[in-house]
Amino acid sequence: GAVVSQHPSWVICKSGTSVKIECRSLDFQATTMFWYRQFPKQSLMLMATSNEGSKATYEQGVEKDKFLINHASLTLSTLTVTSAHPEDSSFYICSVFPGLAGNAQFFGPGTRLTVL
Amino acid sequence: QKEVEQNSGPLSVPEGAIASLNCTYSDRVSQSFFWYRQYSGKSPELIMSIYSNGDKEDGRFTAQLNKASQYVSLLIRDSQPSDSATDLCAVNAGTSYDKVIFGPGTSLSVIP
Repeated sequence: GAVVSQHPSWVICKSGTSVKIECRSLDFQATTMFWYRQFPKQSLMLMATSNEGSKATYEQGVEKDKFLINHASLTLSTLTVTSAHPEDSSFYICSVFPGLAGNAQFFGPGTRLTVL
Repeated sequence: QKEVEQNSGPLSVPEGAIASLNCTYSDRVSQSFFWYRQYSGKSPELIMSIYSNGDKEDGRFTAQLNKASQYVSLLIRDSQPSDSATDLCAVNAGTSYDKVIFGPGTSLSVIP
């Protein structure tokens, strides 16, 4: 599989602040990365597809101005939660699609965001 | 709306028994099917993938796919306490080769 890192692993912030989460593909160049959000006891919900060198594609219902995605290089995608509020508290996970293992995605370790 | 459904459980089995997890999907054009395992507080890890009708075995795990019935299952033989986790079924979204839709997951508990 592919090796993916995320930073930070957890973050606590005050309401109204912005938080940036980094996702790095460590062993291959990822033209596409995915960002998911997972609330407690729920499954993963795809937020957006991050495309290297172009705009991200957001899923229906996800505010693109609130969740800013930048995929500036083949190994790094960032998700910025702008003006975070308590309802944004969640587990944010990125994944990469290396085209190995029959089209499976491989996930980063996730970032736990808590907004006070 | 394309959906992936699973029995949320919890599914409890004794150690050494066979655990059977089921998944149905709504999009007939889906071609790639995956099982992931997620431990509490962690991100998903790939268990196995399957693309053709029939069975695919990998160690203690066997995935079964029936596209006509839009059904995919996972059998876990000789269940171990370390198998206690949530197993997620994922299906590629229509003709998309990389985007997948996840089911809600089945919580599995293996009792020593």
